[in-house]
Amino acid sequence: DAGVIQSPRHEVTEMGQEVTLRCKPISGHDYLFWYRQTMMRGLELLIYFNNNVPIDDSGMPEDRFSAKMPNASFSTLKIQPSEPRDSAVYFCASSNPAAGGAEQFFGPGTRLTVL
Amino acid sequence: GENVEQHPSTLSVQEGDSAVIKCTYSDSASNYFPWYKQELGKRPQLIIDIRSNVGEKKDQRIAVTLNKTAKHFSLHITETQPEDSAVYFCAASPSGSARQLTFGSGTQLTVLP
Repeated sequence: DAGVIQSPRHEVTEMGQEVTLRCKPISGHDYLFWYRQTMMRGLELLIYFNNNVPIDDSGMPEDRFSAKMPNASFSTLKIQPSEPRDSAVYFCASSNPAAGGAEQFFGPGTRLTVL
Repeated sequence: GENVEQHPSTLSVQEGDSAVIKCTYSDSASNYFPWYKQELGKRPQLIIDIRSNVGEKKDQRIAVTLNKTAKHFSLHITETQPEDSAVYFCAASPSGSARQLTFGSGTQLTVLP
C-alpha cells in the first residue's frame, strides 16, 4: 500500500480564496482524521470520520472550514474564504482499530500558505 | 475533554546519553498512549505505544512507562544517536474504538555529536 496520500503537498493562495485539500486513506482503514499543525497550537484534531460519517467536528475552528468524505477512499477539507491565520500544515491520518491496530498513519501533509 | 501536558519543550543531550520526556494526562478514562516522532518537514510516525494494562514496554533503545495512578507516562531513549534528533509527541486516547488522540505540545530533542 502507498500509505495515506494527500494533495496538494504545497498550496499558496491569497486571502479570500477557496482552498481544497484532498486525502486518500489507506485501503481498508475505516477511520479518517484531519489535523492542523502550527508552531503556536501544535497538532490539533479538526474532525474525524468513521465509515465515511463525521463523528466529531468540535475541532473545526469556524464555519469557514468544512470536510466531507463521499466514499471510503476520499476525503476533502475545504476552507472558504481562506485567511492568513489558516496558514499551517494540514495532515490527514487513517486507522483501522477494529483490526487490532490503534496506530494512526499520517499522510505527508499539505503546507498551506495564505497571503 | 482530555488535556495532555508534555515536558520539556526542548532537550539537548550528548550522543550516547539517555533522554527522558514526560507527559501527564487529565482523563482517567484514557487507556492508550502512543508516542510519535516527527523529523523536520516530515509526517509524525508512531515509534512506540502502551496500553493501560501494561506498566512498561520496551523496543530496543526506546521504552515507555505508565503510571495510571499518577496519570503520567514517559518516553526513555537510551544510547542516543544523532538520528534520534526530532520532535517527539506524546498522546492519549479515551476508551473506545476510535482512538481519538489528544497530543502533547511536543519536545524538540537534539542529540549533539
